[in-house]
Amino acid sequence: QVQLVESGGGVVQPGRSLRLSCAASGFTFSRYSIHWVRQSPDKGLEWVAVVSYDGSKKYLADSVKGRFTISRDNAKNTLYLQMNSLRVDDTAVYYCVREQWLVFDYWGQGTLVTVSS
Amino acid sequence: EIVLTQSPATLSLSPGERATLTCRASQRVSTSVAWYQQKPGQAPRLLIYDASNRATGIPARFSGGGSGTDFTLTISRLEPEDFAVYYCQQRANWYTFGQGTKLEIK
Repeated sequence: QVQLVESGGGVVQPGRSLRLSCAASGFTFSRYSIHWVRQSPDKGLEWVAVVSYDGSKKYLADSVKGRFTISRDNAKNTLYLQMNSLRVDDTAVYYCVREQWLVFDYWGQGTLVTVSS
Repeated sequence: EIVLTQSPATLSLSPGERATLTCRASQRVSTSVAWYQQKPGQAPRLLIYDASNRATGIPARFSGGGSGTDFTLTISRLEPEDFAVYYCQQRANWYTFGQGTKLEIK
């Protein structure tokens, strides 16, 4: 069955960096675009970033552009989110999400990122 | 940015009743709307895509409708496991989500 398992969350001070990972299994990872979506009590569900199936196309939300980088390693079936210059309002649960025909069909269980001094 | 407004914020119903949730988009989005269910401590789960298509494994009591700016999610007869938070999402112009409707037991 399709599984997406996020890791790398934690508590970090404002201005610092964190890298999230998402390990995929149960499907052919290299055939799908994968997204990061975050959820916080203040802002609700918010789309963050997407990388195309082969890694050639990457798009980020304006709120994270210039600070976050999305990447993937298809040999390792793993997605990454490098988060730099973290801000308090980046605090959220971060979900790794598979896309099929622009539909978010499978979600990971999420990893919590808390940005606090 | 396309803003999605869901109503009501909270819906109190009993098992066996019919639930109708609405989602209004600030611009026309054709039928590019999906609905998700989220239970406490869990990730969202896809229920409906392209406004009216049930995702794999979703019971027939869930149905979606609408086009343009107004969309509905209907649960024909509520089961105890249906009480959760429901979100709509559009994919016509990037991706945005509604703020959610909490369906609670009356």
